[in-house]
Amino acid sequence: EIVLAQSPGTLSLSPGERATLSCRASQSVSHNFIAWYQQRPGQAPRLLIYGSSSRATGIPDRFSGSGSGTDFTLTISRLEPEDFAVYFCHQYDGSHTFGQGTRLEIK
Amino acid sequence: QLQLQESGPGLVKPSETLSLTCTVSGVSISTSSYYWVWIRQPPGKGLEWIGSVHYSGRTHDNPSLKSRVTISVDTSKNHFSLKLSSVTAADTAVYYCARPRVWNDALDIWGQGTVVTVSS
Repeated sequence: EIVLAQSPGTLSLSPGERATLSCRASQSVSHNFIAWYQQRPGQAPRLLIYGSSSRATGIPDRFSGSGSGTDFTLTISRLEPEDFAVYFCHQYDGSHTFGQGTRLEIK
Repeated sequence: QLQLQESGPGLVKPSETLSLTCTVSGVSISTSSYYWVWIRQPPGKGLEWIGSVHYSGRTHDNPSLKSRVTISVDTSKNHFSLKLSSVTAADTAVYYCARPRVWNDALDIWGQGTVVTVSS
């Protein structure tokens, strides 16, 4: 089973700043089958990024994903108030596993 | 517009079987080549994949849940179902059904989730 470790656990930033979230896999993820989700309180997760770097439909271009092999990154270029939420990475290389999440909070 | 809706009891007693259904509207399960997915999220924690089912009946389950999971599909009712046996308090969670972008890919359509509490 591929284990995903996200860091940091909590990230405190201000609106307008840049956020960089990390996801490290315990072994190489084939075809960069990594996705990122945003989850607001009381809501289901929303797909942001798939295939490591492709934005899902309707996702603003301030969200970008990168990485390959075992190291992946979600970047939010300029934080908007609605971006403060929890973010999960997900690998779907055969089976499915999720990272434990990064909480992005207002500083 | 494709929508998923979970349904089932919100309270289950320890050692009993949890049963949930995900009703799909807006597309036919049997004409779409997807693996339909169950995910759960314990209170205040992260996401856990439970298993996936294809309309043909093929399934993939999370090994950590061992033989407690049964996932099935009913094409006549356009829904798929989850049964989790011998539940304990650790199975208390929000249960989501979801659909991948394609085949067994990232999950782009989610149900709203249903809260299941295991308690006597």
